[in-house]
Amino acid sequence: GNSVTQMEGPVTLSEEAFLTINCTYTATGYPSLFWYVQYPGEGLQLLLKATKADDKGSNKGFEATYRKETTSFHLEKGSVQVSDSAVYFCALPHSGAGSYQLTFGKGTKLSVIP
Amino acid sequence: ETGVTQTPRHLVMGMTNKKSLKCEQHLGHNAMYWYKQSAKKPLELMFVYSLEERVENNSVPSRFSPECPNSSHLFLHLHTLQPEDSALYLCASSQQGQYNSPLHFGNGTRLTVT
Repeated sequence: GNSVTQMEGPVTLSEEAFLTINCTYTATGYPSLFWYVQYPGEGLQLLLKATKADDKGSNKGFEATYRKETTSFHLEKGSVQVSDSAVYFCALPHSGAGSYQLTFGKGTKLSVIP
Repeated sequence: ETGVTQTPRHLVMGMTNKKSLKCEQHLGHNAMYWYKQSAKKPLELMFVYSLEERVENNSVPSRFSPECPNSSHLFLHLHTLQPEDSALYLCASSQQGQYNSPLHFGNGTRLTVT
């Protein structure tokens, strides 16, 4: 079935530093790819998505490009803020007809210090 | 406000207790989910309901019993739990049949089994 592998962290950065969180996937076909974020004390929320190869998803200064050549969907932000401290999850639909399941990576905890 | 409300936010129960978790969504979605989030483990899908019918059950122990009385409400009934069941339980909803419909999560119930 489809799967994702993301760097586990934790990642600690100073404010205004550049962020990259790596995510690679294994999939049948070309499924949509997602990044979810979980702030402390909250559930997950969709951060961005890309639906086909070479698509770039973006939101709140974060970007990720769907690259089929390298089967990657790395999350990037040019200048992180303290408020970006959270856990980030890469995800894609589980394979199989009729499956409603999203397969999530293990999550990467980001801490941004002033 | 995520549109998905879970109660209670925190729950402590003994192994012989019976309790229920509640989830309500105000988004008009037709599918609802229970996920278990444990430290250092990937998110685990427990149950999926679509149009109030259970469509997936990922071999969850029978001490967890879901109930979906209508498309807006979802319950997880708990009895004779084990300490390893302590985790964050997340409810989510989505619109099945809508391409790339993302999951909308509640803020979770933090369960501690003593």
